[in-house]
Amino acid sequence: DAKTTQPPSMDCAEGRAANLPCNHSTISGNEYVYWYRQIHSQGPQYIIHGLKNNETNEMASLIITEDRKSSTLILPHATLRDTAVYYCIVRVRYGGATNKLIFGTGTLLAVQP
Amino acid sequence: DAGVIQSPRHEVTEMGQEVTLRCKPISGHNSLFWYRQTMMRGLELLIYFNNNVPIDDSGMPEDRFSAKMPNASFSTLKIQPSEPRDSAVYFCASSLVSAGLKETQYFGPGTRLLVL
Repeated sequence: DAKTTQPPSMDCAEGRAANLPCNHSTISGNEYVYWYRQIHSQGPQYIIHGLKNNETNEMASLIITEDRKSSTLILPHATLRDTAVYYCIVRVRYGGATNKLIFGTGTLLAVQP
Repeated sequence: DAGVIQSPRHEVTEMGQEVTLRCKPISGHNSLFWYRQTMMRGLELLIYFNNNVPIDDSGMPEDRFSAKMPNASFSTLKIQPSEPRDSAVYFCASSLVSAGLKETQYFGPGTRLLVL
């Protein structure tokens, strides 16, 4: 699986958009970009994933560059409860078979009041 | 839905003792994963099962660790004998793998293990 690079930490003001970048310059054509987050003392939580198109769900938006070498997770209106470590993961999806999630060190997002 | 259930939530034991961690995946899910999280190594996959069969155990640190999944609704991770370096938070996760469907892993709350 391709490796990812994320900043170790970021701050964001409550109510503002949080934009979390991720570099995955060695991503292959069949690798998806996944985002998970881990709030302190809890298990990781799925946020969103995409292959090459931008994606949006009730939690966040995922913007993937055209060359797919980087992506940005956007939390449109960050709240204090969004303070967590955010993991960007690339993984291969084979039809009918599961694959590993390889967690890096992630980005610690601190939402400030 | 109750989500992934893990027990115990906390375990304190002495070096050399056997430790058994338990996991009940989400009903209907066909894949189950065991992870370990420490400050030094982060979150790492130990083993995963698909349809109750172990698929990849390359992350299991050594022979002291073993995992079983006797049926679709139960799995155990056993450490025998335990050592202080095994102290960590152990997470279980499950997912439904089906061609054409988004696969999302759902994590349990974790078991915090302290080996003295």
